[in-house]
Amino acid sequence: QQQVKQSPQSLIVQKGGIPIINCAYENTAFDYFPWYQQFPGKGPALLIAIRPDVSEKKEGRFTISFNKSAKQFSLHIMDSQPGDSATYFCAAKAPNSGYALNFGKGTSLLVTP
Amino acid sequence: EAGVAQSPRYKIIEKRQSVAFWCNPISGHATLYWYQQILGQGPKLLIQFQNNGVVDDSQLPKDRFSAERLKGVDSTLKIQPAKLEDSAVYLCASSPGGTGEPQHFGDGTRLSIL
Repeated sequence: QQQVKQSPQSLIVQKGGIPIINCAYENTAFDYFPWYQQFPGKGPALLIAIRPDVSEKKEGRFTISFNKSAKQFSLHIMDSQPGDSATYFCAAKAPNSGYALNFGKGTSLLVTP
Repeated sequence: EAGVAQSPRYKIIEKRQSVAFWCNPISGHATLYWYQQILGQGPKLLIQFQNNGVVDDSQLPKDRFSAERLKGVDSTLKIQPAKLEDSAVYLCASSPGGTGEPQHFGDGTRLSIL
């Protein structure tokens, strides 16, 4: 059972555009929501993370928006660049079930020049 | 700070053979994880260690998979015998002790079963 549902599966934007990737969850015990970026042949790299008591967090060109009541969170990439072309994963962790991250299925992003 | 080291990077074996993967976590990280990433999907936890003890191995197919963490540092994951459906990337991650945050991943071992 997929605990975190991610959409869209793939996304194409032009350079300078703002791709938005969405995730939804059901388990209200989740208390930590990271986003990872993965390039082909590489492991996932942590981009940014948020907790449910915060509605928005920015780090550089990456922003997470969090809607606790809707149980949804999203990643926005400002001024996207071709170098941002990668697969992005959202994840969630509950505090009382070990420390396992529950990942979404990923979004393949292509930023065209 | 050096990242999570994994070896080998690639492995090709025939079904029913055995294979082992090695992981060296970030220095000082008490928690170590093995995840399986099947093509087109997100990583899925196989086993989690806190120091040299197992915290969660509920998703580990114990009839064929085994793992150990030696002296609370390095870890090995073994598959014996391998099945076709074990073809995947095996990722090792580590985190400081306490909350499991943040988790840092190695580049993985890509396993192909013929």
